[in-house]
Amino acid sequence: EVQLVESGGGLVQPGGSLRLSCAASGFTFSSYWMSWVRQAPGKGLEWVANIKQDGSEKYYVDSVKGRFTISRDNAKNSLYLQMNSLRAEDTAVFYCARLLAARPLPDYWGQGTLVTVSS
Amino acid sequence: QSALTQPRSVSGSPGQSVTISCTGTSSDVGGYNYVSWYQQHPDKAPKLMIYDVSKWPSGVPDRFSGSKSGNTAFLTISGLQAEDEADYYCCSYAGSYSSYVFGTGTKVSVL
Repeated sequence: EVQLVESGGGLVQPGGSLRLSCAASGFTFSSYWMSWVRQAPGKGLEWVANIKQDGSEKYYVDSVKGRFTISRDNAKNSLYLQMNSLRAEDTAVFYCARLLAARPLPDYWGQGTLVTVSS
Repeated sequence: QSALTQPRSVSGSPGQSVTISCTGTSSDVGGYNYVSWYQQHPDKAPKLMIYDVSKWPSGVPDRFSGSKSGNTAFLTISGLQAEDEADYYCCSYAGSYSSYVFGTGTKVSVL
């Protein structure tokens, strides 16, 4: 059974940093592109970042470029999102998602971790 | 990329059919057959219901069906059931950097 479990969310002040983690199991993690997707309270879904199987390609939505960094450790079956210079508008539930094989669309999602940026 | 446009809400009685539209552009929905649909119950993670416009993942009932015409994709729920009441989001490949864009979301209510 595919499982994705996020952790690392919490309350942080504007300008602060946070590192999210996603532990994957039930599939060959190193064979899949992975994503982070966020959902602001009461709002819709927004793609945040993608990373290729070997970490050689990384892509970001414009609003987080230069502030967020996606990474992965295939030996630990883990995905990460380092978030710096956080803003109030980054407040959201962050989901880790696996991308379908050979298709740029997510299939399995974690339960999400809430990031709240507030003073 | 701009979010794909979905109706804010649709509703139907048990047993009826409802259809949700998802309108994009030739750069996303109209340009690729990479459209998916997700069901999200309150405070839950999204669940994949349809991918590649009209394909079912394992375990999803065939009451859910997908189609596309031009720049608009559609999700039809036939034989509406109480447990279908949820938010539904479409998603399309956005044509670059392996990125994708979601729809604005539609709340399905079962009367």
